[in-house]
Amino acid sequence: ETGVTQSPTHLIKTRGQQVTLRCSSQSGHNTVSWYQQALGQGPQFIFQYYREEENGRGNFPPRFSGLQFPNYSSELNVNALELDDSALYLCASSRTSGSMHEQFFGPGTRLTVL
Amino acid sequence: AQTVTQSQPEMSVQEAETVTLSCTYDTSESDYYLFWYKQPPSRQMILVIRQEAYKQQNATENRFSVNFQKAAKSFSLKISDSQLGDAAMYFCAYRSALGGAGSYQLTFGKGTKLSVIP
Repeated sequence: ETGVTQSPTHLIKTRGQQVTLRCSSQSGHNTVSWYQQALGQGPQFIFQYYREEENGRGNFPPRFSGLQFPNYSSELNVNALELDDSALYLCASSRTSGSMHEQFFGPGTRLTVL
Repeated sequence: AQTVTQSQPEMSVQEAETVTLSCTYDTSESDYYLFWYKQPPSRQMILVIRQEAYKQQNATENRFSVNFQKAAKSFSLKISDSQLGDAAMYFCAYRSALGGAGSYQLTFGKGTKLSVIP
């Protein structure tokens, strides 16, 4: 069973640029959630995708957007990057069947905005 | 909105000893799930243990166990026979059991950094 993978591992951008982060869900998982983890903090929920539609959003502005594809992989797009967007971005996948709907996390993408 | 508080930014434990990490949460819901995640320097968040709020029995996974006090809204993690590989950030997390949009959303605490002393 393949786990959750994310790319790239690290990324450096400048303020005002746009970035796309990618996530491949664990096999059999149909729901993807994205989290932002600032240095020294716990992860903060950005949004969740199910059946290719956004299905819940945290307190993040519209310049944070996403996509989920038919194979359940996902992208996180951030426009007009700000210095405070520097963080570890975590993707987590889960499936709607079964109890607990345990989320499995990827290794994250470290984004640095200069 | 739910909140999760971890009051211990850092903890240390001697190898083979026992350590308890604290977590409190605030919610108006009666049914929910609680989790402890471990995040080693490799950054990958790993599920350590989970508890369903409707279950009175405390969850146990090998050397890891929890003390779930629903009325006090407390969910502490006990690590027995600590090993060097237990050194990591530990996050307590809450998830609602209600369905609907964003229902898989996890609310995390700020974490506790655990050091294991040889």
